[in-house]
Amino acid sequence: DTGVSQDPRHKITKRGQNVTFRCDPISEHNRLYWYRQTLGQGPEFLTYFQNEAQLEKSRLLSDRFSAERPKGSFSTLEIQRTEQGDSAMYLCASSYNRDYSGNTIYFGEGSWLTVV
Amino acid sequence: RKEVEQDPGPFNVPEGATVAFNCTYSNSASQSFFWYRQDCRKEPKLLMSVYSSGNEDGRFTAQLNRASQYISLLIRDSKLSDSATYLCVVRSNDYKLSFGAGTTVTVRA
Repeated sequence: DTGVSQDPRHKITKRGQNVTFRCDPISEHNRLYWYRQTLGQGPEFLTYFQNEAQLEKSRLLSDRFSAERPKGSFSTLEIQRTEQGDSAMYLCASSYNRDYSGNTIYFGEGSWLTVV
Repeated sequence: RKEVEQDPGPFNVPEGATVAFNCTYSNSASQSFFWYRQDCRKEPKLLMSVYSSGNEDGRFTAQLNRASQYISLLIRDSKLSDSATYLCVVRSNDYKLSFGAGTTVTVRA
């Protein structure tokens, strides 16, 4: 069994370009989360999916950010018109939750974004 | 005010020493509490859950004080491999984790 995998692991892009990150959760995990972590800070919640439904989006997720999980399996996080402040590690995580009870959340290795 | 506040450290201790640090959280309705460990440029990994009665996992002891909204972690007999950032984490509802900024521990030979 593989863990949560993210791609690409590193991305350097010019300001104004669009970037897309992909996350493949642990198979059969019905919940998928996106977090963002900047240097010296803990991860901050961005959004989460229960199967294919996006159930909450943080205020951190501006209009330039969009996340999808079209078939309830993998997810993508797209950032349009990147800004230098978007430079961060984007962490995907997944968990299996039944009857809305909490369960262990497993993180992927993260996708590092540098906007120059 | 941040949901979870931690002393950033760094705590620089010799091998074999005991090191302890804590965090506070602001949401009194928080349901679950954890310590995660994060190595440099790696993902956070669950170290241990924290229970109201306090709990141990080998050399690690966690305590929770709900009245004071305070969580602590103690590491006994520190090893070089314990060098990492320790993230205090609170689950405020059924899906969302709130992380502190982390406490850096460096164990020296």
